[in-house]
Amino acid sequence: EAQVTQNPRYLITVTGKKLTVTCSQNMNHEYMSWYRQDPGLGLRQIYYSMNVEVTDKGDVPEGYKVSRKEKRNFPLILESPSPNQTSLYFCASRGQVRADTQYFGPGTRLTVL
Amino acid sequence: DQQVKQNSPSLSVQEGRISILNCDYTNSMFDYFLWYKKYPAEGPTFLISISSIKDKNEDGRFTVFLNKSAKHLSLHIVPSQPGDSAVYFCAASVAGNTPLVFGKGTRLSVIA
Repeated sequence: EAQVTQNPRYLITVTGKKLTVTCSQNMNHEYMSWYRQDPGLGLRQIYYSMNVEVTDKGDVPEGYKVSRKEKRNFPLILESPSPNQTSLYFCASRGQVRADTQYFGPGTRLTVL
Repeated sequence: DQQVKQNSPSLSVQEGRISILNCDYTNSMFDYFLWYKKYPAEGPTFLISISSIKDKNEDGRFTVFLNKSAKHLSLHIVPSQPGDSAVYFCAASVAGNTPLVFGKGTRLSVIA
């Protein structure tokens, strides 16, 4: 079954404690990205990757890091989380062509106290 | 500055009637548009798309209309069903594999 998986699904942490949200896809997609969803703001892109070792900033990259060492994985790293990073995070992937369907993961709800 | 706008945060429609969700954009370079549907506790799922060379695309009960001169697109759902109750996101992109830009979403409630 084609899918994008994220872990953990829910996380409560404290300010400053480094965390990683993993994302993995089984569709051999070149393109992967991270979004955050906040009330009244919709989906905003954090980072994206066109292929292995190629990453680029989206609209709201401050406070986040990503890496793309393997095609299937695209972890999101918060080196020093802050309360304003409390949000619902989605990972997504698609093929090379933008007309390809973009598949989203189930989401990770992060709360930073 | 918001490039993709969904000005109606919510919409209620009776089952069997037509649902019309609207989306406006400001960037004239956008040439590919999509609609995504999102249920609670799930990720968005792709619904339908349209290229700027077309003004209409249909898939079953879902039709997307594009008016380039007005920089406006709409999603029609006919007939609406209770299972269509979800948040609908409009998205757009510029040629060249650039990231999607999403609107804020419209919550559709279909009342039985």
